[in-house]
Amino acid sequence: QQQVKQSPQSLIVQKGGISIINCAYENTAFDYFPWYQQFPGKGPALLIAIRPDVSEKKEGRFTISFNKSAKQFSLHIMDSQPGDSATYFCAATDSWGKLQFGAGTQVVVTP
Amino acid sequence: EAGVAQSPRYKIIEKRQSVAFWCNPISGHATLYWYQQILGQGPKLLIQFQNNGVVDDSQLPKDRFSAERLKGVDSTLKIQPAKLEDSAVYLCASSLDRNTGELFFGEGSRLTVL
Repeated sequence: QQQVKQSPQSLIVQKGGISIINCAYENTAFDYFPWYQQFPGKGPALLIAIRPDVSEKKEGRFTISFNKSAKQFSLHIMDSQPGDSATYFCAATDSWGKLQFGAGTQVVVTP
Repeated sequence: EAGVAQSPRYKIIEKRQSVAFWCNPISGHATLYWYQQILGQGPKLLIQFQNNGVVDDSQLPKDRFSAERLKGVDSTLKIQPAKLEDSAVYLCASSLDRNTGELFFGEGSRLTVL
């Protein structure tokens, strides 16, 4: 049973465009919401993360928007580049540090 | 700083055989995780250690999977006997402590069961 639901499964965006990935959760005990980026043959790597006491966090071209009342959060990739082509996972964890992942979104950025 | 080390990177076995994976976490990291990632899916937590104690193993198929973390450092994950559906990448991750948030992943061990 997946506790973090992610959409879309895949998306194709042109270079310079905006990629948007959405996630939803049910467990109100979650208190940390990271996004991981994974390239083929590699393990996931932390991209950006947010805690529920803020509604937005921006790091470079990557922004997390967080809606606590709706139990939803999203990743925006601005000015998408071919090097951003990867699989992105949203995740959530509680105070025990048990990290639960969404199903992943494969992003392809075309030149 | 060295990352999380895993071995072997690839393993091919026949069903009903056994296999073991090894993980060396980042030095000083108290929390260690084993995840199973089936192709096209998100990683699924199998077991979480805090030092050498088990925090969560609720999704570990205990009839065939076992894991240990000796002296709170290295860890091994064993599958015996393997089934076809065990074909996956087994990812080891570590974090400084369970409340610090960021997990550091190894490159994974890819298992193919024939």
